[in-house]
Amino acid sequence: EADIYQTPRYLVIGTGKKITLECSQTMGHDKMYWYQQDPGMELHLIHYSYGVNSTEKGDLSSESTVSRIRTEHFPLTLESARPSHTSQYLCASSEKETDTQYFGPGTRLTVL
Amino acid sequence: GQNIDQPTEMTATEGAIVQINCTYQTSGFNGLFWYQQHAGEAPTFLSYNVLDGLEEKGRFSSFLSRSKGYSYLLLKELQMKDSASYLCAVMDSNYQLIWGAGTKLIIKP
Repeated sequence: EADIYQTPRYLVIGTGKKITLECSQTMGHDKMYWYQQDPGMELHLIHYSYGVNSTEKGDLSSESTVSRIRTEHFPLTLESARPSHTSQYLCASSEKETDTQYFGPGTRLTVL
Repeated sequence: GQNIDQPTEMTATEGAIVQINCTYQTSGFNGLFWYQQHAGEAPTFLSYNVLDGLEEKGRFSSFLSRSKGYSYLLLKELQMKDSASYLCAVMDSNYQLIWGAGTKLIIKP
């Protein structure tokens, strides 16, 4: 099972602020993902990466960007936060053999 | 389009057995996953099926029929801690994971 970490766990910020959500994994997984999930709702893929220097947009249109400079690190940046960005953000990485995704604990973001 | 259907909510009694169904229509198939998600927490991996048949893991079993586009998750000897949402997800021909909306399982004493 993957060891995958996210910081911060909770964040409350004002509209217009720039924020970066951190995600790191220690299992050497090539593939990593960012999801957005509102309470009781389904997961929406916002970004993913196949490996270093690879980033792709997911199904959900989002005013966020990601980078993948190192295998273990996949940060998500919101250039200008809005109340509509209030949600839970989940990072995941997947093993090569079965593509099973393992999730970090999530960051709960509130934009005032 | 691609689609995964699961019941929105189910209720069961502590100690009983419950079966959560999942039907899917996807462009290709490269495996089906079940995850458990407690309220406010991240999903945790339960099972993976790529071939037809039943996979058993302790109190949890998962069944797959690729020809019918159907899977179920069977939970035995239900405990209160099993109250959670159960997510079905299918990997399509592009190795993209298509997620269902989840089934909220309520366990009553």
